[in-house]
Amino acid sequence: DTGVSQDPRHKITKRGQNVTFRCDPISEHNRLYWYRQTLGQGPEFLTYFQNEAQLEKSRLLSDRFSAERPKGSFSTLEIQRTEQGDSAMYLCASSLAGTGANVLTFGAGSRLTVL
Amino acid sequence: AQTVTQSQPEMSVQEAETVTLSCTYDTSESNYYLFWYKQPPSRQMILVIRQEAYKQQNATENRFSVNFQKAAKSFSLKISDSQLGDTAMYFCAFIDAGAGSYQLTFGKGTKLSVIP
Repeated sequence: DTGVSQDPRHKITKRGQNVTFRCDPISEHNRLYWYRQTLGQGPEFLTYFQNEAQLEKSRLLSDRFSAERPKGSFSTLEIQRTEQGDSAMYLCASSLAGTGANVLTFGAGSRLTVL
Repeated sequence: AQTVTQSQPEMSVQEAETVTLSCTYDTSESNYYLFWYKQPPSRQMILVIRQEAYKQQNATENRFSVNFQKAAKSFSLKISDSQLGDTAMYFCAFIDAGAGSYQLTFGKGTKLSVIP
């Protein structure tokens, strides 16, 4: 296993377009998280899954954002009708439930630029 | 709500020297975990060190150690024998130790530059 993979690494889009990011977690990890990181800030929590169930969504996740994790494997984060304020690094992380739950392994991130 | 504050936006250190990065946090919880994460330029964030609040002994990982002062809500990171590869953003983070906890709260980060 090579860790948490994210695709694409960079995405440039025009305002109003839809974008989708994919995250492949470490295979044995049943928890998956999405964070957003803007310039000069630490990562901010967006949402989290345990297996296929989305258990929590941040208020940062507007109606234009949707995340899925079908079959508890990979996850997708879709942003509809992108706005310039959506420009950020979108980080995915995974962990094991239980005693290792708070030890997150992060991916390299997907950087979104909205023109 | 928990908050994490890193008061040093940028720091620099000469190679082979020691540097300390500061972090303070605010919480009403009694049991929690604290972390330092390292984010090299254009690379993924990796865990440097973890401290459990109920353990009085400060965590150590090779050249990295922490000074955990629970009463003062302070959690500083000391890097000894700094190496060029230590150049990165360093983030302090907090999570409640409760069974249902899932959300890491991060500080804004400290950009560390190691100078040859």
